[in-house]
Amino acid sequence: NAGVTQTPKFQVLKTGQSMTLQCAQDMNHEYMSWYRQDPGMGLRLIHYSVGAGITDQGEVPNGYNVSRSTTEDFPLRLLSAAPSQTSVYFCASSYGGSDQETQYFGPGTRLLVL
Amino acid sequence: ILNVEQSPQSLHVQEGDSTNFTCSFPSSNFYALHWYRWETAKSPEALFVMTLNGDEKKKGRISATLNTKEGYSYLYIKGSQPEDSATYLCAHTGGFKTIFGAGTRLFVKA
Repeated sequence: NAGVTQTPKFQVLKTGQSMTLQCAQDMNHEYMSWYRQDPGMGLRLIHYSVGAGITDQGEVPNGYNVSRSTTEDFPLRLLSAAPSQTSVYFCASSYGGSDQETQYFGPGTRLLVL
Repeated sequence: ILNVEQSPQSLHVQEGDSTNFTCSFPSSNFYALHWYRWETAKSPEALFVMTLNGDEKKKGRISATLNTKEGYSYLYIKGSQPEDSATYLCAHTGGFKTIFGAGTRLFVKA
């Protein structure tokens, strides 16, 4: 199993550009989530999904869109990038999303918005 | 939003020292507390999940305790080794949402 994969590893954008961060998992997990990690702060939940067709907002959803058309994929879209979105983005998944379940993290995407 | 705080922010110890860090969270509406280990340039990896007051978990030289009534969890490392150098994250999970603390960065000098 590849686990959780993310592409690209690194991206530079100009303010106002759009892009999609890709996340895929091959563990048949229903729950998937996106976090951003900024210096001095913990991982902050952006959006999450409990299954195909079902998404919801996390702690910091503004400026980001998600959709979940398949169990395997959970892309994160930045419609109009802003410098405040410069961060490292992590995708994670777990079997069903219950409180006791461990989340498995991808390798991260480092995004720089100029 | 549930606030999860960790202390200290960073810790420098010598090889062989034992150490511990604290994770605190509001004691009301507790669901589950997770500890993750995060090495530089890698992804966070799970250490423990704890759900019951008084829970104690152990994995090798690393152990953790949970007090849900007072809202804290301790992570202990016995006989620290250089390979223990990492950031240790705690996180509260409830209702499909996870709130992470900012982490404790551990440096173990050989």
